[in-house]
Amino acid sequence: EVQLVQSGAEVKKPGESLKISCKGSGYSFTSYWIGWVRQMPGKGLEWMGIIYPGDSDTRYSPSFQGQVTISADKSISTAYLQWSSLKASDTAMYYCARHQVYKAAADAFDIWGQGTMVTVSS
Amino acid sequence: EIVMTQSPATLSVSPGERATLSCRASQSVSSNLAWYQQKPGQAPRLLIYGASTRATGIPARFSGSGSGTEFTLTISSLQSEDFAVYYCQQYNNWPTFGQGTKVEIK
Repeated sequence: EVQLVQSGAEVKKPGESLKISCKGSGYSFTSYWIGWVRQMPGKGLEWMGIIYPGDSDTRYSPSFQGQVTISADKSISTAYLQWSSLKASDTAMYYCARHQVYKAAADAFDIWGQGTMVTVSS
Repeated sequence: EIVMTQSPATLSVSPGERATLSCRASQSVSSNLAWYQQKPGQAPRLLIYGASTRATGIPARFSGSGSGTEFTLTISSLQSEDFAVYYCQQYNNWPTFGQGTKVEIK
């Protein structure tokens, strides 16, 4: 079964750092782009960026460039989303998702992780 | 950034009726348009890609149409499990999502 399994919910304080993960299984992890999508409480979906685990080519939405870092470790089929200094406004559900087509950089997301809730509060 | 505008924000429909959801792009996205369904507490699910191709396992009552800047998702006969929020997404250039249409029971 093709699936993405994300790390568990996090509660952090403003200014703290955080790295959440997304582990792929059931397919060739290095051959499909993986993206991250933010959903703030009660709001819609926002495309943050994508990474190609095969060579770590990474692309960010202009809205998120410089705010987060996307990375991947292909040896353990895992993608990451990290923050160096969290803000209260980072409170949201974060989903990882896989592009549908082999190696396609522009594509729809066909497989989604279950989401990781990040809460930032003093 | 390409802005995706969905209408209406909320659609009230009775079970068995037809639902028509619209999505407009601020500039042409060709056919690089997807539709997703999201139920409360769940991750989104891909319904349609390439503007009109149903994803694997998606029932035939879901259909997509359009190209360029105007797109439509039609649910031919609403089932109880179809009441959810629907998002369009363009992936032609720096992907963006619409703000969503909530389909609720009338």
